[in-house]
Amino acid sequence: GAGVSQSPSNKVTEKGKDVELRCDPISGHTALYWYRQSLGQGLEFLIYFQGNSAPDKSGLPSDRFSAERTGGSVSTLTIQRTQQEDSAVYLCASSFDAGSGGEQYFGPGTRLTVT
Amino acid sequence: AQSVTQPDIHITVSEGASLELRCNYSYGATPYLFWYVQSPGQGLQLLLKYFSGDTLVQGIKGFEAEFKRSQSSFNLRKPSVHWSDAAEYFCAVGAGTGGFKTIFGAGTRLFVKA
Repeated sequence: GAGVSQSPSNKVTEKGKDVELRCDPISGHTALYWYRQSLGQGLEFLIYFQGNSAPDKSGLPSDRFSAERTGGSVSTLTIQRTQQEDSAVYLCASSFDAGSGGEQYFGPGTRLTVT
Repeated sequence: AQSVTQPDIHITVSEGASLELRCNYSYGATPYLFWYVQSPGQGLQLLLKYFSGDTLVQGIKGFEAEFKRSQSSFNLRKPSVHWSDAAEYFCAVGAGTGGFKTIFGAGTRLFVKA
C-alpha cells in the first residue's frame, strides 16, 4: 500500500516568505507527527495530531510555526516569515491508533532551504 | 520530562565485528522504546520496538535490543555487522497514552570499515 507522502520534496525560499509543507499519511492512521531534522542533528518533535483530540503543539519553536490537519487526514505545516535557521528537513510520520504502541511510518521529508 | 541519550555520536566497526549502540532514557513509567535506522538517502525505518514482556526483542536485519529497567537502557546489538548497516541509528521513547508522543535521541552514526 501507499506510504506517507510529503510535498514538495525540496523547497527553496527567500527569508521572510511564508511556506506550506504538505503531508499525506497512510490511510487509516489516526496519529500524525511533524519533526524537524537539522543538518547532523536528531529529530526535533514539533507537533502531533491524534484523532479528533486537540493537537500537542508543545514542540513548535515559535509562533511562526503552525499546523493543521483537515478531515483527520492531510496535514499542512506552515512557517511564516521564514528565517535562515528554519532550513532543515521536515519529516512527517503517521501511526495507527491501536496496538502499534506508536510505531511510526515516516515520509521522505521536505528539504527546506531559506536563502 | 522524558529524554533520550545516545552517548556515542559516531562509531566505527569492522565488517563482521559485533556492534552495540547505547541508549539511555528518562521516563517515569514503563516506556515504549524504539530503534529506528536512517540510511543515506532513505527515510527512517523501524528496526524494533519494546512495549512489555520479554526484555530481549528481535528486530529486522538481524538486530536485537535489550531493555534493562535498572539501568534505564535499551542498547541495540548485532553480532556481525555488514557494510550495508552503515547508517544513522536513532533510539526513541514513546510517552503518553499509547506512547504517541515520541522523543528521539540525537542519533549515532555507524561507519563500517572493510
